[in-house]
Amino acid sequence: NAGVMQNPRHLVRRRGQEARLRCSPMKGHSHVYWYRQLPEEGLKFMVYLQKENIIDESGMPKERFSAEFPKEGPSILRIQQVVRGDSAAYFCASSPSREGTYEQYFGPGTRLTVT
Amino acid sequence: GQQVMQIPQYQHVQEGEDFTTYCNSSTTLSNIQWYKQRPGGHPVFLIQLVKSGEVKKQKRLTFQFGEAKKNSSLHITATQTTDVGTYFCAVGGATNKLIFGTGTLLAVQP
Repeated sequence: NAGVMQNPRHLVRRRGQEARLRCSPMKGHSHVYWYRQLPEEGLKFMVYLQKENIIDESGMPKERFSAEFPKEGPSILRIQQVVRGDSAAYFCASSPSREGTYEQYFGPGTRLTVT
Repeated sequence: GQQVMQIPQYQHVQEGEDFTTYCNSSTTLSNIQWYKQRPGGHPVFLIQLVKSGEVKKQKRLTFQFGEAKKNSSLHITATQTTDVGTYFCAVGGATNKLIFGTGTLLAVQP
């Protein structure tokens, strides 16, 4: 059973370019979460999605960031007009839709470097 | 918003020594989870605690949830070099999102 998959694992973008990060949840999981980890810091929640729905985007910056989880295909985290401060590791996690179960399974992450 | 504090931030031990990290919240928690992140790696789920006073063990790891459900601890007996990494506690929020603690980085000297 494949785990959470993320690609690319490493992404380098120049300031002003767009970054698209992809996440495929574990088989059977319908809940996807995105977290950001700045260098030497903890993980910060960004957004929680189910298929075709954004459930909680309270951690998403108001501008330049968007996320989707279409009916078919992976979840996408999109960062427009990247700036140096966007350099971080972006982790996707998934969980099954069992009530009372909170554990999440993380992908290997995408390390974004903005030059 | 809810905050979860962890102490210590960093701990350096000799192999074979014990290690404990503590997680504290100002509010009552419905659940708490622990994750381990190896250097350069991703968080890996270790355990979930939901009951007041709950204690769970995984080999050399002991997890405890406080009676008031406001704190938790992770204790490692006789550390090994494979225990190196950052240990995070995390709280499940209303929409299932996780609020992570600040983490404790464990270094083990052979």
